Amino acid sequence: TQLLEQSPQFLSIQEGENLTVYCNSSSVFSSLQWYRQEPGEGPVLLVTVVTGGEVKKLKRLTFQFGDARKDSSLHITAAQTGDTGLYLCAQGVPLNYGGSQGNLIFGKGTKLSVKP
Amino acid sequence: ETGVTQSPTHLIKTRGQQVTLRCSSQSGHNTVSWYQQALGQGPQFIFQYYREEENGRGNFPPRFSGLQFPNYSSELNVNALELDDSALYLCASSKGPRGGSPLHFGNGTRLTVT
Repeated sequence: TQLLEQSPQFLSIQEGENLTVYCNSSSVFSSLQWYRQEPGEGPVLLVTVVTGGEVKKLKRLTFQFGDARKDSSLHITAAQTGDTGLYLCAQGVPLNYGGSQGNLIFGKGTKLSVKP
Repeated sequence: ETGVTQSPTHLIKTRGQQVTLRCSSQSGHNTVSWYQQALGQGPQFIFQYYREEENGRGNFPPRFSGLQFPNYSSELNVNALELDDSALYLCASSKGPRGGSPLHFGNGTRLTVT
């Protein structure tokens, strides 16, 4: 079973600072998803990256997929208190019907706290 | 568009008891997946239901079972509860079991086993 390692485990920063969190695996990803989970809520999909070297931007969030598709990073510029939450990376594993969405393998997440 | 709803939001049970958790999928979605998220961990896949049948299962014992109904809603049943079953149980729905359809998660049921 492929394991996803996320780092750092915890991150506490001041509003306005930049940060980067990482997701790594010893195996190649077919694709990778990033989720944000706020306290008391379920994870919400932020982005899916598929192609090695791909860069996607979502407002102040920049997602990169490594060239070898074994690692990914999430960079947040000028963090805001609303960015506080648990950031999870996940990879799909095919199930009986050949789907790769139902069975997601998640990392343990990076818990981000942005202080005003 | 109605999102994924789960009930109850919180539940306290005693070791050895049985529990049923419920999930209504998002409108237009026919596939439901269940995940267990222990404190400080990422979610772990329990099983997926498609066309009212189990479509895949993670590394969970048989005392974790489920159902999907014709309206695509779903139940997760856990028998003989153990202390380690204390966790957030998440339901996610999608338009189909195949890749390409994002998962939409509910806000979960927080189960505490004492």
